[in-house]
Amino acid sequence: DAKTTQPPSMDCAEGRAANLPCNHSTISGNEYVYWYRQIHSQGPQYIIHGLKNNETNEMASLIITEDRKSSTLILPHATLRDTAVYYCIVRPLHGGSQGNLIFGKGTKLSVKP
Amino acid sequence: GAGVSQTPSNKVTEKGKYVELRCDPISGHTALYWYRQSLGQGPEFLIYFQGTGAADDSGLPNDRFFAVRPEGSVSTLKIQRTERGDSAVYLCASSLMGLAGGRRTDTQYFGPGTRLTVL
Repeated sequence: DAKTTQPPSMDCAEGRAANLPCNHSTISGNEYVYWYRQIHSQGPQYIIHGLKNNETNEMASLIITEDRKSSTLILPHATLRDTAVYYCIVRPLHGGSQGNLIFGKGTKLSVKP
Repeated sequence: GAGVSQTPSNKVTEKGKYVELRCDPISGHTALYWYRQSLGQGPEFLIYFQGTGAADDSGLPNDRFFAVRPEGSVSTLKIQRTERGDSAVYLCASSLMGLAGGRRTDTQYFGPGTRLTVL
């Protein structure tokens, strides 16, 4: 079972920041937080991941609380093309058989004009 | 560079038939994963290869499902005696394995999937 909880859906106005929350209260010290998204009829797309520090790349920012029990993915200026299902996943530090991703149902983000 | 590719993009078959789904990973990626996604659900893990060997096949639903990766690159997922419940999108992902500067580097990159329909 997925170790994360996300709201099933969210709306965001085009051009505004989209803030997608994720709860992972049972996360352990050796687990990363990963975010993927899936645009309709496409494979999941990697967005960002982090362990305990906040992370930023060209797609998004990831804010992880100090206790690591929750995180927020931020799309700073959402566009219509950001409409997708966003998955928050916790994953062990080391690879091997624990490396497979366990997806929940994600959050369906709808960006509206 | 080229991403993960999967063929065919769509496959329609009849109940009881045998099907093969192909995955071409990103060049140089040592790890390869297969997932299955039913309508309205997130992807579910099936099997993971490290090189040529299946390191974890715990997600395969039953013995009708089998996968190979004979040369450590291309992989084929094989389904025997297909059933209507096998209808889903089958996704493949690949990754490098390792850590760089203490940070996990084996991010999985997914292909577009094969939509399998069993009539």
